[in-house]
Amino acid sequence: DVQVVESGGGLVQPGGSLRLSCAVSTFTFSDDFIDWVRQAPGKGLEWVGRTRNKTKGYSTEYAASVKGRFTISRDETKNSVHLQMNSLKTEDTAVYYCVRDYFVRGIYFIGHWGQGTLVTVSS
Amino acid sequence: DIQVTQSPSSLSASVGDRVTITCRASQDISNYLSWFQQKPGKAPKSLIYGASSLHTGVPSKFSGSGSGTDFTLTISSLQPEDSATYYCQQYGNYPLSFGQGTKVEIK
Repeated sequence: DVQVVESGGGLVQPGGSLRLSCAVSTFTFSDDFIDWVRQAPGKGLEWVGRTRNKTKGYSTEYAASVKGRFTISRDETKNSVHLQMNSLKTEDTAVYYCVRDYFVRGIYFIGHWGQGTLVTVSS
Repeated sequence: DIQVTQSPSSLSASVGDRVTITCRASQDISNYLSWFQQKPGKAPKSLIYGASSLHTGVPSKFSGSGSGTDFTLTISSLQPEDSATYYCQQYGNYPLSFGQGTKVEIK
């Protein structure tokens, strides 16, 4: 069974940086699309970004709210995806979920969720 | 960007009731729509993809329909364990986007 486990959350000051990690237990890591989704306290779900698979050059997409501040990368040797968050703002406070996408009939979509990791941006 | 609007934002229904939640996209997304269930303090759970296909292990009391811009999630016979917030999400275009959520409570 696929497991998705996030780590790296914590308290950081405004303007600071934090790197989240997502370990994905799958034999097909290089074929997988992976998304990051966040949820501010008491609020709804917000898509943060995506890394495509190796065939697609591990290319990325980002939400406008984080573009230029957040970077998604992958480590093939560890089946891991990282979310590097720079220039953090108080409004980035949220639980961050890593999600492994599924592929059906030619398109990838959100499938298997991790348990989430809390990021708090506060002075 | 595609806006996704859910209605209602909350509802209260009795055990055994048939419950329907609506999701509307601001432009045609074909059938590229998913539904998720989230219980308090827990990660979301994927219910439906492709507007109407159930993920493995999801009970058949859940069903989805629609295409283009208008979609529905139906719970055929509401049970206490279905108390949760439900979200729709379009994946036809970037940025991917979620509806604001519908909180379902049991009377």
